[in-house]
Amino acid sequence: EPEVTQTPSHQVTQMGQEVILRCVPISNHLYFYWYRQILGQKVEFLVSFYNNEISEKSEIFDDQFSVERPDGSNFTLKIRSTKLEDSAMYFCASSETSASYEQYFGPGTRLTVT
Amino acid sequence: QKEVEQDPGPLSVPEGAIVSLNCTYSNSAFQYFMWYRQYSRKGPELLMYTYSSGNKEDGRFTAQVDKSSKYISLFIRDSQPSDSATYLCAMSAGTGGFKTIFGAGTRLFVKA
Repeated sequence: EPEVTQTPSHQVTQMGQEVILRCVPISNHLYFYWYRQILGQKVEFLVSFYNNEISEKSEIFDDQFSVERPDGSNFTLKIRSTKLEDSAMYFCASSETSASYEQYFGPGTRLTVT
Repeated sequence: QKEVEQDPGPLSVPEGAIVSLNCTYSNSAFQYFMWYRQYSRKGPELLMYTYSSGNKEDGRFTAQVDKSSKYISLFIRDSQPSDSATYLCAMSAGTGGFKTIFGAGTRLFVKA
């Protein structure tokens, strides 16, 4: 069964460093999403992406964040200058169509900023 | 008022019980209502979704949406220890990349 994959599973970085989180969505999916979940808190929407453009973003997704689909299979989230409060699980999701109610999530990347 | 409210629990039930999980919301623009299951340190797994008001059944799971009350429910019949997880309600106002808003999740424990 096809699934969303994410690498690395755990990333440790120092405050102020740039990090890139990588995702490989399900191959025939067209819509891509990033979410984060701070430990013990709810899953929060960051951004949705379609046709090489951001469809929607939340107030969390400020200028420190960017997304890219560098090739036909990867979808990345870049945090330019990490802060302690960026420590969280980051989940990538994808959906085959515009039906964003039918999203499939990856296993997540745990980002620890020290 | 939070957009989506969900009692975090924990909820502990004996095996075989009927479980009722609920969420309330404030944004009347929400049209799509989803339930996800999340095991510890894993990504959310879509269980089912419903459009607008009404009921939807899938095996032991039934989702209900009452838009007039801004209240959604997930019922689990004949609960099993393997159902022990955190259940997240989620909602969105539309399709095409519309943002999805999640509840805090309810931790469920089913005791054998």
